[in-house]
Amino acid sequence: DIQMTQSPSSLSASVGDRVTITCRASQSISSYLNWYQQKPGKAPNLLIFAASSLQSGVPSRFSGIGSGTDFTLTISSLQPEDFATYYCQQSYSTPRTFGQGTKVEIK
Amino acid sequence: EVQLVESGGGLVQPGGSLRLSCAASGFMFDNYFMNWVRQAPGKGLEWVSYISSSSSTKSYADSVKGRFTISRDNGKNSVYLQMNSLRVEDTAVYYCARDGRYSQFEYWGQGTLVTVSS
Repeated sequence: DIQMTQSPSSLSASVGDRVTITCRASQSISSYLNWYQQKPGKAPNLLIFAASSLQSGVPSRFSGIGSGTDFTLTISSLQPEDFATYYCQQSYSTPRTFGQGTKVEIK
Repeated sequence: EVQLVESGGGLVQPGGSLRLSCAASGFMFDNYFMNWVRQAPGKGLEWVSYISSSSSTKSYADSVKGRFTISRDNGKNSVYLQMNSLRVEDTAVYYCARDGRYSQFEYWGQGTLVTVSS
């Protein structure tokens, strides 16, 4: 199984900050890396697919980059509605594994 | 508008069975792979199973293999998860999710809670 490791596990940031979350795969997954946002009590929401493609309707302040084993999600200017937990997930092979999540909290 | 609506969750005793359903609308259901993903209380996301558009291919997480069975009825635009020999550790919100072109989980239902407890 491919292990996905996110860092950090949590972070505190202020509105307007630039936030970066990293995700590392235990083996190469090409660009088969997706990012999701989840708010408490809600289903996850797809933000980025194929490492860098922005899902329709997702604000352009979200961006993704990477290939192989190392990937990054960046929020260019954190907004109040962005405080949530973020998960990376590989769709290169089954089982389709997730990272453990990164909780973005208000500083 | 794509909609996925899960149902069938509830309280069940260890060793019991439950069948989850997911009703889909707003897209050509028989063109897409479908998945079940779960989330235990306070924990992260875990992929459970997927089924191909024609039901020819099914895959399961090791944690549920041999106990859970995924199926679909393209005539009813629905996907199902039959869960047998349930364990306390199967307690979770179960989400139905549609695949995208890169096998991303493009659309999600609202989830249904399964609680396994005596």
